[in-house]
Amino acid sequence: FMLSQPHSVSESPGKTVTISCTRSSGSIADYYVQWYQQRPGGAPTTVIYADNQRPSGVPDRFSASIDRSSNSASLSISGLKTEDEADYYCQSNDYNTWVFGGGTTLTVL
Amino acid sequence: QVQLVESGGGVVQPGQSLRLSCVASGFNFNNYGMHWVRQTPGKGLEWVSVISYDGSNKYYGDSVKGRFTISKDNSKNTLWLQMNGLRPEDTGVYYCAKDQRIDDSGDYIDFWGQGTLVAVSS
Repeated sequence: FMLSQPHSVSESPGKTVTISCTRSSGSIADYYVQWYQQRPGGAPTTVIYADNQRPSGVPDRFSASIDRSSNSASLSISGLKTEDEADYYCQSNDYNTWVFGGGTTLTVL
Repeated sequence: QVQLVESGGGVVQPGQSLRLSCVASGFNFNNYGMHWVRQTPGKGLEWVSVISYDGSNKYYGDSVKGRFTISKDNSKNTLWLQMNGLRPEDTGVYYCAKDQRIDDSGDYIDFWGQGTLVAVSS
C-alpha cells in the first residue's frame, strides 16, 4: 500500500495548518498512524504516535486524527511558529512492513 | 538520555558491500526492537528493516530483501546492517532508530540517530 501526502503546504504564523495522509489500500484504522517531523539538516523526530498521541515534550499545538470515511489521517498544527517549518511524514504498517508517506514540506511565511 | 550513533557509511562502487553499525545507550537495548530507515537524496524516508528485541524476527523492505541483513548484539548494545550487492539507488543517509511498542496492535519509532551517509557510485 502507499501513503499519499501533499507535496507542500504553506501558512502564516499564528494560523492553523492541516496535512493529510491517504492510505491507498487497506483500512487506515487497521494500523496505527504516526507522524514524524524533520527540520532542515536534521534527523526525524516523532510528533504523533498511535493516531493521535503526543510524545512528552511535543506541544499541544500538534494534534492528529484518522478518518475512516476518507481512509486518511491528518496532522494539524495550530498557532504556527517559524520553528514548525519542516518536512512532515506520516507512517503506518501492513503486517510486518512499514510504509512512510512521501512527506509534506511545511513553509511558515 | 537515549543516544544512537551510526557509523560505517562511505563511498563504494556498485556491487560492493558495506556494514553499518549503530551503538545505543541510555536505555535497555535488550528490551527493544530496532530499525534502519534511509533517506535518499532530495527524497523522503524509506523503511529498510526491523529486528525484534531478541533478534529472532527480522523483516525487510522489498527494495533490499535478499541483499541486506539486519542483526543486533545485545551484549554490545550494537545494531548492524550488512549491505551486499549495493546499487546506486541505495545511496542515502541511513538512520538507526529505536522501536517502541504501543500495544499488541502496533509500535512506532520514538528515537532516531543522526544518520550515516552511504554513496554508491562508479
